[in-house]
Amino acid sequence: ILNVEQSPQSLHVQEGDSTNFTCSFPSSNFYALHWYRWETAKSPEALFVMTLNGDEKKKGRISATLNTKEGYSYLYIKGSQPEDSATYLCAFIADSWGKLQFGAGTQVVVTP
Amino acid sequence: GAGVSQTPSNKVTEKGKYVELRCDPISGHTALYWYRQSLGQGPEFLIYFQGTGAADDSGLPNDRFFAVRPEGSVSTLKIQRTERGDSAVYLCASSPTAGGTEAFFGQGTRLTVV
Repeated sequence: ILNVEQSPQSLHVQEGDSTNFTCSFPSSNFYALHWYRWETAKSPEALFVMTLNGDEKKKGRISATLNTKEGYSYLYIKGSQPEDSATYLCAFIADSWGKLQFGAGTQVVVTP
Repeated sequence: GAGVSQTPSNKVTEKGKYVELRCDPISGHTALYWYRQSLGQGPEFLIYFQGTGAADDSGLPNDRFFAVRPEGSVSTLKIQRTERGDSAVYLCASSPTAGGTEAFFGQGTRLTVV
């Protein structure tokens, strides 16, 4: 994998259901992986900064895992709520300058 | 506290005109980044400043694009002879230092070239 890829492109989830989606990234020259949530008309907001293989991070009902050897990260949303509706972006960092290489995002729509 | 501020929030300009987009980072953040998001894509890196200097401008698409950060705080992205393909959301982000630390984003400037 040379680029950052996210799948699926979009998800429609019923309120209360759990969901997850994937970020694939280059498995070489890994420095860090970030997850951002971008709600319409707002700024992208950092969810997780992940640096170590095997990292698992959690913020409320949202959690993420990281596998740097195979080049993927999963983001999980447990018990989805309408306020979870947003585009979720992952970003790969290859060096200490912090330049983010983004995927195209997964758009999540949670319906009541 | 104040976050990253970008002005204007929306800009419509005619093809061929010159535009300036401004970014006011969080006070004390030394690292500043510009990204551009075109429809249906993720944000793409344009340029990275560490302090006043552009440490990496490899993402600027051509010589019509230029950015400055003269005092190590506010940054201006300048686009000359705008083209319809320049239409996008331009995002600015700052970090306390470079590296893998969290980036704090502004709300972006939506540029439309007609």
